[in-house]
Amino acid sequence: DTEVTQTPKHLVMGMTNKKSLKCEQHMGHRAMYWYKQKAKKPPELMFVYSYEKLSINESVPSRFSPECPNSSLLNLHLHALQPEDSALYLCASSQEPLAGGTWSREQFFGPGTRLTVL
Amino acid sequence: GQNIDQPTEMTATEGAIVQINCTYQTSGFNGLFWYQQHAGEAPTFLSYNVLDGLEEKGRFSSFLSRSKGYSYLLLKELQMKDSASYLCALDSNYQLIWGAGTKLIIKP
Repeated sequence: DTEVTQTPKHLVMGMTNKKSLKCEQHMGHRAMYWYKQKAKKPPELMFVYSYEKLSINESVPSRFSPECPNSSLLNLHLHALQPEDSALYLCASSQEPLAGGTWSREQFFGPGTRLTVL
Repeated sequence: GQNIDQPTEMTATEGAIVQINCTYQTSGFNGLFWYQQHAGEAPTFLSYNVLDGLEEKGRFSSFLSRSKGYSYLLLKELQMKDSASYLCALDSNYQLIWGAGTKLIIKP
């Protein structure tokens, strides 16, 4: 299994809703990432989990709350979002967060969740 | 800083060759990635350069010159399905510092 899966593919939510995005990988990767991508822009890093612990939080508002229940799963809990939060949310994983060597550094991306906040 | 510059858009003809450049200013990085992203889809890995020089992978090749702060992605025998955005990204520990991407349009 060499893929990252994300659910749901599309999500429409109101500003008062609470929802969660899910990401799963079974490649044994120990680093997992959440990115936000707006149209015609590169991905923006939000969070990095390394060995199931949050290691980077790029000053993301608290209405986004990540969770890593185990080494294969990564969730992003959403609450009280704003319309400007509408974007493609990408999950990625890599084999080792800080190891050297070409083989370990590639980030594998999931297909993304297209989020629309009304 | 780690400013990364790529052309916003390029147009090429099916069957031709195109070179997409990426220039950067940075104090240090492990390597440089190239990713392809079709509209509405996730980025997919194309190449990773650690050492200076050319890495060839079928129709796609990537070049890196650390001394010149410069990389390029070379696409040969262009096909219509190569129409996509191409993003270079610096590997700074486990953070990827992304360029804005180059939208490549292939015409018949």
